[in-house]
Amino acid sequence: GAVVSQHPSRVICKSGTSVKIECRSLDFQATTMFWYRQFPKQSLMLMATSNEGSKATYEQGVEKDKFLINHASLTLSTLTVTSAHPEDSSFYICSAWIRDSRETQYFGPGTRLLVL
Amino acid sequence: AQTVTQSQPEMSVQEAETVTLSCTYDTSESDYYLFWYKQPPSRQMILVIRQEAYKQQNATENRFSVNFQKAAKSFSLKISDSQLGDAAMYFCAYRTYFGNEKLTFGTGTRLTIIP
Repeated sequence: GAVVSQHPSRVICKSGTSVKIECRSLDFQATTMFWYRQFPKQSLMLMATSNEGSKATYEQGVEKDKFLINHASLTLSTLTVTSAHPEDSSFYICSAWIRDSRETQYFGPGTRLLVL
Repeated sequence: AQTVTQSQPEMSVQEAETVTLSCTYDTSESDYYLFWYKQPPSRQMILVIRQEAYKQQNATENRFSVNFQKAAKSFSLKISDSQLGDAAMYFCAYRTYFGNEKLTFGTGTRLTIIP
């Protein structure tokens, strides 16, 4: 099956710094990738939909200037948390869409962000 | 907008027994997909089973099966012969049939397996 990787798996940073998370589709090309945020013991909250070569579409309430998404190629999307604060600490998950028999997204393993 | 509701925050089952997780959804569409995802402690989301709304036959994947009641907008997951490895968060999810590949997730059910 299709594999999606994320890097780093966990990151600790100081408040005010920026953090970049990479999401790669390893063995397929993904025209559409998604970024989710998950708080402890809660469901996945969609942050944005990322299409290759175009601007990301953000969900209501998500600050586009704080969570910068770039989808420069068919296999790579990046999420940059700018000027991170402790409240940005969370688990971030990306997924990639490929039209196959599953008709659903392939998920990365997630990135745990801790902002001190 | 579509909504997905999982009314059981936690469930537990004895190993080797059968457990059913509930999911209801609300939509005005007639064609769509429904999914059950498993999120074990590793946090990796794993697709368990998929159901197309236009299919009357309930989907089955080994020990996992669904009871899809379209008129009632109900989509429950039955796990037979529960195993310790089944312990996880289970999320029900909805996807529209045409175009938009976005998933709408329920709030999840934490399943504990009792040895």
